[in-house]
Amino acid sequence: QSVLTQPPSASGTPGQRVTISCSGSSSNIGSNTANWYQQLPGTAPKLLIYNYDQRPSGVPDRFSGSKSGTSASLAISGLQSEDEADYYCASWDDSLNGRVFGGGTKLTVL
Amino acid sequence: QVQLVQSGAEVKKPGASVKVSCKASGYTFTSHDINWVRRATGQGLEWMGWMNPISGNTGYAQKFQGRVSMTSNTAISTAYMELNSLTSEDTAVYYCARSMVRGSRTLDRFDPWGQGTLVTVSS
Repeated sequence: QSVLTQPPSASGTPGQRVTISCSGSSSNIGSNTANWYQQLPGTAPKLLIYNYDQRPSGVPDRFSGSKSGTSASLAISGLQSEDEADYYCASWDDSLNGRVFGGGTKLTVL
Repeated sequence: QVQLVQSGAEVKKPGASVKVSCKASGYTFTSHDINWVRRATGQGLEWMGWMNPISGNTGYAQKFQGRVSMTSNTAISTAYMELNSLTSEDTAVYYCARSMVRGSRTLDRFDPWGQGTLVTVSS
């Protein structure tokens, strides 16, 4: 059972907009920043979004992040087949004194 | 370019230990902490802990306290993660990842990640 809760799966057709949620609490997302990682099949995770809504250099602006209360969200617009991957949210948890990840969301492009 | 290259796959028997290495290049090794994260088959990412190469200070997830050790050799820019008393539940791909923000766990993020090392625990 992950400290951060994500839907196990999401899907969309090419060109669509998809949103993935990440629900936490006051000890993690509510008081500490959230990051998002993308893991393409057979590869290592890659930083996608940091500090809730910041994109590292090289990440397309189709990817965006937001925060509301104790939850964070990742939005992908103009969905492409190469976006098919597992997506993880992460934050620091003050109660556990450790980094926590969501359970991951498998995105399928139909 | 900044790169983390990990050691090769390992097969271990239950009760044994494994030591995975992570060689850094393209940046000053001592300027960034190294984290270790694993992913078991069919499971999500699980953070194991962090290590400061300069001070040797570490911070471990509660689940792994007493069973994991994270060290480094600054002369060869390499970090190590050793996990003891292995069981089948430790079968996973283990990743090292560079911390981007020193001094603030709350603002930190990981970039880049190593390619991963598969550790299989089987009798």
